[in-house]
Amino acid sequence: RKEVEQDPGPFNVPEGATVAFNCTYSNSASQSFFWYRQDCRKEPKLLMSVYSSGNEDGRFTAQLNRASQYISLLIRDSKLSDSATYLCVVNAVRGANNLFFGTGTRLTVIP
Amino acid sequence: GAVVSQHPSRVICKSGTSVKIECRSLDFQATTMFWYRQFPKQSLMLMATSNEGSKATYEQGVEKDKFLINHASLTLSTLTVTSAHPEDSSFYICSARGQPSSYNEQFFGPGTRLTVL
Repeated sequence: RKEVEQDPGPFNVPEGATVAFNCTYSNSASQSFFWYRQDCRKEPKLLMSVYSSGNEDGRFTAQLNRASQYISLLIRDSKLSDSATYLCVVNAVRGANNLFFGTGTRLTVIP
Repeated sequence: GAVVSQHPSRVICKSGTSVKIECRSLDFQATTMFWYRQFPKQSLMLMATSNEGSKATYEQGVEKDKFLINHASLTLSTLTVTSAHPEDSSFYICSARGQPSSYNEQFFGPGTRLTVL
C-alpha cells in the first residue's frame, strides 16, 4: 500500500467555485502533514502545513482527521492562478524524517 | 523563505557519461539535504538523504554506486549520476532542511531535468 494516496483528478472547475481534495495516509504514526503546490515542470512549494485543529489561510482551509487517516484541502473562490497540481505530503518519522509525497491532484480553473 | 538553488537546470548527455548536479542552500546552513526523482505524471520519490560530513542514506532500490552523493559543506550537496542511461532520464530535485526547523519543512531547489540520449 502506498504511504500517501490521492485522487489524481483532473478537477476542472469554473472561476469562483469551491473545490476540495482529499488524501489518505497509511502510517498511523505520521506526525506532520502538508499541502504543497507544484506548477508544471517546477519544484514543489509549500502551500500550508496541516494542524490537528485544522487551519485556514485566506481562501485555503486544511483539515486533518487522524482517526480516519485523511487530510483535506478546501479552496474557496477559485482563481485562474490556482491551476496547479496539489501534493499531499506526510512525514512518516523514520530516521531522517523523510517526507512522503502523494502523486498529486491536478486542478484546472476555467475562466 | 529560504532559497535553494540547483545547477544545471537542464542537461542532455549521451548514454554512458556521468552527470553532476549541484544543490546549494543560499541563505541558510542545510544540515540535511534530500535528493528526489520525479518521473512524468508520478510523485516525487526520495532517493537519498545526506547529512553534512557523513555518508548518505539511500532508499531501497537506489544504487549508491550509481548515484553518488557528496555533502561536503553545510551549503552544498552534489549528486553524480554515473554511467547514465536513458532510463535515468528524469526530473531530479533536491531539498534542504536547516536548523532550527519547525514542522520538518524542507525547501526545494528548482530541479534539474536530465535527458540521457
